[in-house]
Amino acid sequence: EDQVTQSPEALRLQEGESSSLNCSYTVSGLRGLFWYRQDPGKGPEFLFTLYSAGEEKEKERLKATLTKKESFLHITAPKPEDSATYLCAVQARDDKIIFGKGTRLHILP
Amino acid sequence: GAGVSQTPSNKVTEKGKYVELRCDPISGHTALYWYRQSLGQGPEFLIYFQGTGAADDSGLPNDRFFAVRPEGSVSTLKIQRTERGDSAVYLCASSLLGQGHSPLHFGNGTRLTVT
Repeated sequence: EDQVTQSPEALRLQEGESSSLNCSYTVSGLRGLFWYRQDPGKGPEFLFTLYSAGEEKEKERLKATLTKKESFLHITAPKPEDSATYLCAVQARDDKIIFGKGTRLHILP
Repeated sequence: GAGVSQTPSNKVTEKGKYVELRCDPISGHTALYWYRQSLGQGPEFLIYFQGTGAADDSGLPNDRFFAVRPEGSVSTLKIQRTERGDSAVYLCASSLLGQGHSPLHFGNGTRLTVT
């Protein structure tokens, strides 16, 4: 069965304190791995797509990486406005897209 | 351009009533997905459409839930005999499936409260 597990469930960091969020997955025929950001009361907002092991994508203070079993979202020198829930999702061979439970990130000023 | 639109944004209904939730996808997007999200949880897959047909409805929890997309654009999620456990945010998303690995574009959801 396809599965996505994110850790930690919640993370509190001081402003400027870099860290990484983890997404482990089991999927039949990975077609893509996605990272989304979700703010309270809003729908998820797309950040990155990764297709194959070894691939990396960057956007401002965020960098996403992918291996055959997991993906990391690295946050460098975060700011309070980076506080949000970060969701990982995988698209399987049948095009079904399933999500993890997310990591709630809180950046303290 | 216009994003994914969901109406209503909030819906309060009594246990046992019927509700319809509407989703207007981004124009030209062929794939449409419905998810349910409870507080503190990730989106839970319900169903997805490719064009007018339901390509995968394996996430619908039971036969009280049904979704349609008759013209390949707007979709309606229908819930019969609502129960308090149906209370959640229902999210709709669309994508250009079939044109590469296209990400989902989400609406802001319909918050359903069953009293």
